[in-house]
Amino acid sequence: GNSVTQMEGPVTLSEEAFLTINCTYTATGYPSLFWYVQYPGEGLQLLLKATKADDKGSNKGFEATYRKETTSFHLEKGSVQVSDSAVYFCALLNTGGFKTIFGAGTRLFVKA
Amino acid sequence: DVKVTQSSRYLVKRTGEKVFLECVQDMDHENMFWYRQDPGLGLRLIYFSYDVKMKEKGDIPEGYSVSREKKERFSLILESASTNQTSMYLCASQPGGDYGYTFGSGTRLTVV
Repeated sequence: GNSVTQMEGPVTLSEEAFLTINCTYTATGYPSLFWYVQYPGEGLQLLLKATKADDKGSNKGFEATYRKETTSFHLEKGSVQVSDSAVYFCALLNTGGFKTIFGAGTRLFVKA
Repeated sequence: DVKVTQSSRYLVKRTGEKVFLECVQDMDHENMFWYRQDPGLGLRLIYFSYDVKMKEKGDIPEGYSVSREKKERFSLILESASTNQTSMYLCASQPGGDYGYTFGSGTRLTVV
């Protein structure tokens, strides 16, 4: 079956630190991969996506590269800000499918 | 700006009441989804709809039903609310294909 595993949080960083949140997946077929972000009290927002192997998704300084050989889609940012504090969800959608599979979420705290 | 609007941010209902949660999207999206989000359990799919009047059960449909009479509106119905349905409810829409979801801001429902 399809599944997404992401690193447990919380992750606590100082402002301007480098961020990596690990995500690996299991899928039949060739899924599209996503990162969503949820700020306190809000719904999820699509942060970035990649639809095929070696694609890099990027948005707001965040990046993730679709690695088929390691079945991974790790989220990175070179310099985090306090405003990046949120919960980040890795997700996959299989080709031709309707249902997105979400990881458990990783909470990020950024200290000033 | 495209939107998914959930009718209430906070709702308090009594055990046994029939509860309607409304979701409206203005993007002409084909697919709509209802999730609940609980601490430690992540996002769990309740129901989804891929066309007007079409619906499919998700992972936890028990105690819920849905209605999609018009393309833009997807309603979640709790037939007889119970305390274990206290949760954050998230609605999402998607145009199909490998696009990401657009989420509403969520409805925090408390059943007392």
